[in-house]
Amino acid sequence: DAGVIQSPRHEVTEMGQEVTLRCKPISGHDYLFWYRQTMMRGLELLIYFNNNVPIDDSGMPEDRFSAKMPNASFSTLKIQPSEPRDSAVYFCASSSQGRDQPQHFGDGTRLSIL
Amino acid sequence: GENVEQHPSTLSVQEGDSAVIKCTYSDSASNYFPWYKQELGKGPQLIIDIRSNVGEKKDQRIAVTLNKTAKHFSLHITETQPEDSAVYFCALGTGGGNKLTFGTGTQLKVEL
Repeated sequence: DAGVIQSPRHEVTEMGQEVTLRCKPISGHDYLFWYRQTMMRGLELLIYFNNNVPIDDSGMPEDRFSAKMPNASFSTLKIQPSEPRDSAVYFCASSSQGRDQPQHFGDGTRLSIL
Repeated sequence: GENVEQHPSTLSVQEGDSAVIKCTYSDSASNYFPWYKQELGKGPQLIIDIRSNVGEKKDQRIAVTLNKTAKHFSLHITETQPEDSAVYFCALGTGGGNKLTFGTGTQLKVEL
């Protein structure tokens, strides 16, 4: 079975540029989560969707960050304009409907903003 | 929001020894307790989970114990092997939209 697929795996760009991270959840999963991982702050939940609808975006750090889920098999996380402090590993995870279902993670996008 | 403390932050054991990682939490409404293993360059992978109606769960060399009264749960790895070396995260689910709150992680090193 295909797991959660993220692209690109690595992204290096200059500050001020727009960055788009992509995620394909596991087929049939109704929840999609975006996380950011850094040494200083650990694993932080940025936003999550249920049935393509954003439910909680309280973890999104600033207006520079936005996320969309146009359909059940695709989501994007955009940063515009990017800043060096956005450098981190960004993970996408998905889970099925139902109470307390496990989340399955992709292998992340390592983002470096110069 | 919910808070979870994880200890120790680093753990070094000899191959074949046991390793124990403990997490404590404060919200009594928490009812789902998964553990994740993260290897270098990979995303966290679920290795075992337990729900609040069970006190212990075992899967081969891995076990999780839950004490709801004391609000702590632990991961036990027996007969450790070098491939067990990784970062381990505990997490909490409170049933709200399948959100999880993660601990700060434990770097486990299994030495030959």
